[in-house]
Amino acid sequence: NAGVTQTPKFRVLKTGQSMTLLCAQDMNHEYMYWYRQDPGMGLRLIHYSVGEGTTAKGEVPDGYNVSRLKKQNFLLGLESAAPSQTSVYFCASSYWGSGNEQFFGPGTRLTVL
Amino acid sequence: AQKITQTQPGMFVQEKEAVTLDCTYDTSDPSYGLFWYKQPSSGEMIFLIYQGSYDQQNATEGRYSLNFQKARKSANLVISASQLGDSAMYFCAMRDSTDKLIFGTGTRLQVFP
Repeated sequence: NAGVTQTPKFRVLKTGQSMTLLCAQDMNHEYMYWYRQDPGMGLRLIHYSVGEGTTAKGEVPDGYNVSRLKKQNFLLGLESAAPSQTSVYFCASSYWGSGNEQFFGPGTRLTVL
Repeated sequence: AQKITQTQPGMFVQEKEAVTLDCTYDTSDPSYGLFWYKQPSSGEMIFLIYQGSYDQQNATEGRYSLNFQKARKSANLVISASQLGDSAMYFCAMRDSTDKLIFGTGTRLQVFP
C-alpha cells in the first residue's frame, strides 16, 4: 500500500496563478483532510471531506476550493495564488470515528512569489 | 471553542533520560480523542499515541505513554529512555465528535548525548 500520496512535492507560483494539489489514498478511508503548516502555528485545517461528493470548510478555507469526486482522491485548488498562501500543505485521511488516527501524506511545499 | 495548548516551544533532554511534553486542551464535547504526532526534520507526520476521552487507563506505546488527567484537561506525552532519534517537533492534537483534528503549536525536542 502506498498510503497517502501528494502531488506535486514542490511548486513555485507567481501571484495570481492557479494550481491544483492532488491527494490520493489507497486505504479506503471515508474521511480526507487538507491542512497547511506555517512556522510557529502548527497545522491548520483548510477543508475536509467525510465522503465522496461531500466537502466542508475548516479553520482557514478562504482562497481555497476542494473537490472529492472519487473516494480515493481529494483535490485542493488555488484559483489566484497569493504570497500569504506560501506554506507546506498536508493531506490526511482516516476512517470514520474520533478514535481513528489520521494518516498523513508527505506534504507539498508551495512558494508564491 | 476547542483549543490545544502546548506551552513549551522547546525542550532539551539528555539521551536515556525521560522527558514530559505538556499539552492541555479545552472542549465542551464529552466525546473526544487526543493524539500525539512526531514531525522529524524530514517533514512527515508520524502518529505516536492515542487516548480516548472515555478510556480509563493511560495509553502506552513502547517508550511513549500519555499521562491523561481528564479533570485538569491535560494529556502530556512521556518519552522514556530518550534516544537521539527522538529529536523532532511533537504535536498534540484533539479530534472531536465532528471528526476535525485541532493541533497545538508544537514542542521542539532536542536530545543530546
